[in-house]
Amino acid sequence: SAVISQKPSRDICQRGTSLTIQCQVDSQVTMMFWYRQQPGQSLTLIATANQGSEATYESGFVIDKFPISRPNLTFSTLTVSNMSPEDSSIYLCSVALKGSSYEQYFGPGTRLTVT
Amino acid sequence: GNSVTQMEGPVTLSEEAFLTINCTYTATGYPSLFWYVQYPGEGLQLLLKATKADDKGSNKGFEATYRKETTSFHLEKGSVQVSDSAVYFCALRTSYDKVIFGPGTSLSVIP
Repeated sequence: SAVISQKPSRDICQRGTSLTIQCQVDSQVTMMFWYRQQPGQSLTLIATANQGSEATYESGFVIDKFPISRPNLTFSTLTVSNMSPEDSSIYLCSVALKGSSYEQYFGPGTRLTVT
Repeated sequence: GNSVTQMEGPVTLSEEAFLTINCTYTATGYPSLFWYVQYPGEGLQLLLKATKADDKGSNKGFEATYRKETTSFHLEKGSVQVSDSAVYFCALRTSYDKVIFGPGTSLSVIP
């Protein structure tokens, strides 16, 4: 398994500002992902964070709005840019372990409220 | 495309009742199937998994069997407890390494 931490755990932000969320894993992992969970909804994949190259974004998500970095195999950041109230969600980091037979593990999430 | 459908909630049961949450999927290839649980105010936890047809995943008294012929992965528990109150997500993962989640089913267990 993997232990995943996220910072901050929650934040309240003004519209038009940006927030960077950090994800730290206690072991080197092959793949890291960022998900969004809007209030009362299921999880939606934002992007796959690739180590050493640009992230791969899902349909409906763009790099200008959600820039992602992954400088090494244990750390990634997601920035939510130019926030609006519609960005109020829980943002979750997830990892897949090498040779884990398709298991993904999730961080505790960052609860973002945009006012 | 790939998708997961779950029974709509919320589901309310009395303690010790039998639980079934239906899950069906659409996928190309041979996905792995999962149930995740999200307790109030907490993150997502893997509850159980099955990686091929006829596999049965089990954990904490919960079970689900991978049924390829009916493309289903229904979650069952023989006797629920108040502590089982949570949101349950059925999910699949294809060879492209992306987990696709169902909409979630909220379960409330009352004493």
